[in-house]
Amino acid sequence: EDQVTQSPEALRLQEGESSSLNCSYTVSGLRGLFWYRQDPGKGPEFLFTLYSAGEEKEKERLKATLTKKESFLHITAPKPEDSATYLCAVQETSGSRLTFGEGTQLTVNP
Amino acid sequence: SAVISQKPSRDICQRGTSLTIQCQVDSQVTMMFWYRQQPGQSLTLIATANQGSEATYESGFVIDKFPISRPNLTFSTLTVSNMSPEDSSIYLCTTLRGVWGTEAFFGQGTRLTVV
Repeated sequence: EDQVTQSPEALRLQEGESSSLNCSYTVSGLRGLFWYRQDPGKGPEFLFTLYSAGEEKEKERLKATLTKKESFLHITAPKPEDSATYLCAVQETSGSRLTFGEGTQLTVNP
Repeated sequence: SAVISQKPSRDICQRGTSLTIQCQVDSQVTMMFWYRQQPGQSLTLIATANQGSEATYESGFVIDKFPISRPNLTFSTLTVSNMSPEDSSIYLCTTLRGVWGTEAFFGQGTRLTVV
């Protein structure tokens, strides 16, 4: 059974204070690992897909990396508008369903 | 990215009643998925809806409680039947897009409160 564990559950940063969110996963065969951002009361917003170990993707202040066991979402010099819940999900090669982690609630204080 | 529209965006319903949620995608897609997100929790897959066949339900979800229709390649409905307060959640539909057809894009969801 696929498992996705995100840490920490919650993270408070000062504006400009860089940090990383972790997503550890167990899957028989990885088709893709996904990162989403979710604001309160809204659906998840797609950020990145990573397909193979060593892959990296960047978008503004966010950078996602992937190893064979985990993924990191690095946030460089965050701003208050980066405050949201960040969700990680994995998709197995044998199917289309996504298995989500519990998310990391990020708060960036001005 | 896909454009996915859900109706209603939110509703407050009496226990014992049913609510049908509509999901419209801006182009034809093979698979549509319905997820539930209970308060403070992550997303759980309810079922996969394929056009022309019965939906495939995940463990813990049954057709009598969550009947799904998929009349064409751009539309699906999820009904939450005989509701109880435990059904209060955000319900989200999604489909797969992207180069490899693996990227899931979500609508804004339907926030359901059962009283």
